[in-house]
Amino acid sequence: QQQVKQSPQSLIVQKGGISIINCAYENTAFDYFPWYQQFPGKGPALLIAIRPDVSEKKEGRFTISFNKSAKQFSLHIMDSQPGDSATYFCAASIDKAAGNKLTFGGGTRVLVKP
Amino acid sequence: DTEVTQTPKHLVMGMTNKKSLKCEQHMGHRAMYWYKQKAKKPPELMFVYSYEKLSINESVPSRFSPECPNSSLLNLHLHALQPEDSALYLCASSPARWRTQYFGPGTRLTVL
Repeated sequence: QQQVKQSPQSLIVQKGGISIINCAYENTAFDYFPWYQQFPGKGPALLIAIRPDVSEKKEGRFTISFNKSAKQFSLHIMDSQPGDSATYFCAASIDKAAGNKLTFGGGTRVLVKP
Repeated sequence: DTEVTQTPKHLVMGMTNKKSLKCEQHMGHRAMYWYKQKAKKPPELMFVYSYEKLSINESVPSRFSPECPNSSLLNLHLHALQPEDSALYLCASSPARWRTQYFGPGTRLTVL
């Protein structure tokens, strides 16, 4: 019930293309869904986050789509650039739960080819 | 500024050594976290401090000992580690227990 399943494990996209990463969850108590971007040897950096009362959120080239009934959410990276090459983690948490434990997906390694 | 700093960046230690990792934030956040991350895996939560009190210990072996001297500082004391403890150790903080977590750059630990 605490799992977040992320796919694909890796993807390669051409510069200017769209990268799409999908996550699915089971626990309907989750109510906060952040995405983190991590470069090799660095800590994860918060990219964008969404709550289930919103179906879509866009920040620059990054868009989260949220489907509450399907218990799925996805990250779209538009006009992908080589600098977007990184590992992306989706996560979920229960707001106001003890310790705000983040349940992470397994990660997606994105490679953007020039 | 959402900055969490960690020192050292790299640490190599033997199995009999005692060392400490340090984390600092000056954002007024009242929750701080330690995570362990192995290669190609997501971060795994180790400890949570809320208002300088340990609120969660994820069944971490006693060779890892956290300490929160004040609201801006978090330490992780290491003793008698095993080679399998080699990993990237990440610190994070959040404005309160139930808000967005901001991660530091991590300490790359190698246990020989």
